[in-house]
Amino acid sequence: QVQLKESGPGLVQPSETLSLTCTVSGFSLTSNSVHWVRQPPGKGLEWMGIIRSGGSTDYNSALKSRLSISRDTSKSQVFLKMNSLQTEDTAIYYCTIPQGWGQGVMVTVSS
Amino acid sequence: DIVLTQAPLSVSVTPGESASISCRSSKSLLSSKGITSLYWYLQRPGKSPQLLIYQMSNLASGVPDRFSSSGSETDFTLKISKVETEDVGVYYCGHRLEYPLTFGSGTKLEIK
Repeated sequence: QVQLKESGPGLVQPSETLSLTCTVSGFSLTSNSVHWVRQPPGKGLEWMGIIRSGGSTDYNSALKSRLSISRDTSKSQVFLKMNSLQTEDTAIYYCTIPQGWGQGVMVTVSS
Repeated sequence: DIVLTQAPLSVSVTPGESASISCRSSKSLLSSKGITSLYWYLQRPGKSPQLLIYQMSNLASGVPDRFSSSGSETDFTLKISKVETEDVGVYYCGHRLEYPLTFGSGTKLEIK
């Protein structure tokens, strides 16, 4: 059974760096690409980026200068790092593959 | 970036009746491999999105056949037959043709 679970801090200070982890099970990261998608409260879905099965990445150009996605295949984990956070980065952050989505983690950017 | 425009913004349906949601793309979603890269998702209240339809017309695993989708290269329709109370939520179309992936703004389905 495919499972994805996001974890990370619920509150981040403005201008600081967000670090999130997506822990997966039921599939291999070396055979599947993983996406990050975020959703501001009450709003729609925004694709952030992808790490492919081979390890290459692609990012939303609007976030590219601030965003990094990496992974540790031995731990079945995918990581998201985004710096210079602002209040408009407040959102639920999801990791997802075509077959399923994680539960999401709510991140609030506030002092 | 590909823009996906959904209509209506919301729809209110009596249980047992049908509902249709439209999604229009600013670019053809037909890939060079002959696959139409249009996907439909349902986000129930307080939950993560779930995949309903992939590659325009294929039901995802576990999705009841009350859901169906059709379309052309740029215009798509999700149809829900015999709506049930569990169908309440926001429906999004999305594409996987190229990066960045983008989504429609969503259509909220409510029960009368």
